[in-house]
Amino acid sequence: GESVGLHLPTLSVQEGDNSIINCAYSNSASDYFIWYKQESGKGPQFIIDIRSNMDKRQGQRVTVLLNKTVKHLSLQIAATQPGDSAVYFCAENHNQGGKLIFGQGTELSVKP
Amino acid sequence: NAGVTQTPKFQVLKTGQSMTLQCAQDMNHEYMSWYRQDPGMGLRLIHYSVGAGITDQGEVPNGYNVSRSTTEDFPLRLLSAAPSQTSVYFCASSYSVIAEQYFGPGTRLTVT
Repeated sequence: GESVGLHLPTLSVQEGDNSIINCAYSNSASDYFIWYKQESGKGPQFIIDIRSNMDKRQGQRVTVLLNKTVKHLSLQIAATQPGDSAVYFCAENHNQGGKLIFGQGTELSVKP
Repeated sequence: NAGVTQTPKFQVLKTGQSMTLQCAQDMNHEYMSWYRQDPGMGLRLIHYSVGAGITDQGEVPNGYNVSRSTTEDFPLRLLSAAPSQTSVYFCASSYSVIAEQYFGPGTRLTVT
């Protein structure tokens, strides 16, 4: 069935290192992907998005890569900081309607 | 702008009781949605609306009703609460489904 999933449930990195969070999707018809960050006790916050006609998009310290051939999405965080500690979710839009489907999430822990 | 507001923040219900979770946004967004988030899991879409008067089902709609009589408000109704509906509920809005969604702070619901 259609699903959005993550390869790793937890990721621990040293402060200052780069982080890579991965996401696999199964619906080849999805045309929009988005990453959210959720801190404990709060609602998700938008990080970055990408449309299916792009392979890469950069923001401030973050980069999203989309590989449509293998249906894989990744979020790269440069120079990871303690404030980056949170759960990160990828989500995809099924272009047949208004559904934005979320993956399970990866918990990022940054060690000082 | 207040953004997306949700009330109440916390609620305890007994099995069989009914209640309405309120959601409002002041950004004139057409798209609004409700998600539930269970411990250690991602967000699952309950219902969504692409504009006033239009609603549709998400991934887990059973046991929930919605209506969208105005652009600003999107209440979620539980007609007969069940323990399986214990969760954190998030409302979100955006100008389009393929755009950044703004999330409310969430409602933590416990059904005993």
